[in-house]
Amino acid sequence: AQKITQTQPGMFVQEKEAVTLDCTYDTSDQSYGLFWYKQPSSGEMIFLIYQGSYDEQNATEGRYSLNFQKARKSANLVISASQLGDSAMYFCAMREVGFYGGATNKLIFGTGTLLAVQP
Amino acid sequence: NAGVTQTPKFQVLKTGQSMTLQCAQDMNHNSMYWYRQDPGMGLRLIYYSASEGTTDKGEVPNGYNVSRLNKREFSLRLESAAPSQTSVYFCASSESRGINEQYFGPGTRLTVT
Repeated sequence: AQKITQTQPGMFVQEKEAVTLDCTYDTSDQSYGLFWYKQPSSGEMIFLIYQGSYDEQNATEGRYSLNFQKARKSANLVISASQLGDSAMYFCAMREVGFYGGATNKLIFGTGTLLAVQP
Repeated sequence: NAGVTQTPKFQVLKTGQSMTLQCAQDMNHNSMYWYRQDPGMGLRLIYYSASEGTTDKGEVPNGYNVSRLNKREFSLRLESAAPSQTSVYFCASSESRGINEQYFGPGTRLTVT
């Protein structure tokens, strides 16, 4: 069965430093997609970045980058130059494989990492 | 564009009462989803609708029903609320092609006493 594991319940980082949030996944499918979402204290879920399993380059979006290591089945989120506004819960998610194989639109989420950025 | 809207934002129910959570999106997305979020458990899919006229169960469908009223609207109904259904409920929508990132509504905080 597919699974997303986020082993860090909470993380602290100093403002302006970089931080890595860990995510490992388990799937037997060759084609899959990985997502990161941010959930600030206000509660909304914000899409940050996407990595496809066949993408040769690591995904980047502004200060966010995804350190994709396929052989290790990890998709860590790297936030560079942390800001106070980055304090939030971060969720890693994977597109679920359908009964007959192939990706569906359904997402499987990890349990999240709560990031606190300190001034 | 409002994106994904949900009503109500907060609700308190007594055990056994029923209610419907409303969700609408104005992005012309084909797919819509209902999740629940509980502390320490991430988001879990309750039901989803791949396209207008279709619905299917997710990971935790028991105690819920859904209706895809049209392309814009996807409602979630609790027929007989139980304390175990106390949670934050999120509606989301996505395209059915491309990377399919999901866009989420602001959530409904439901308490069942």
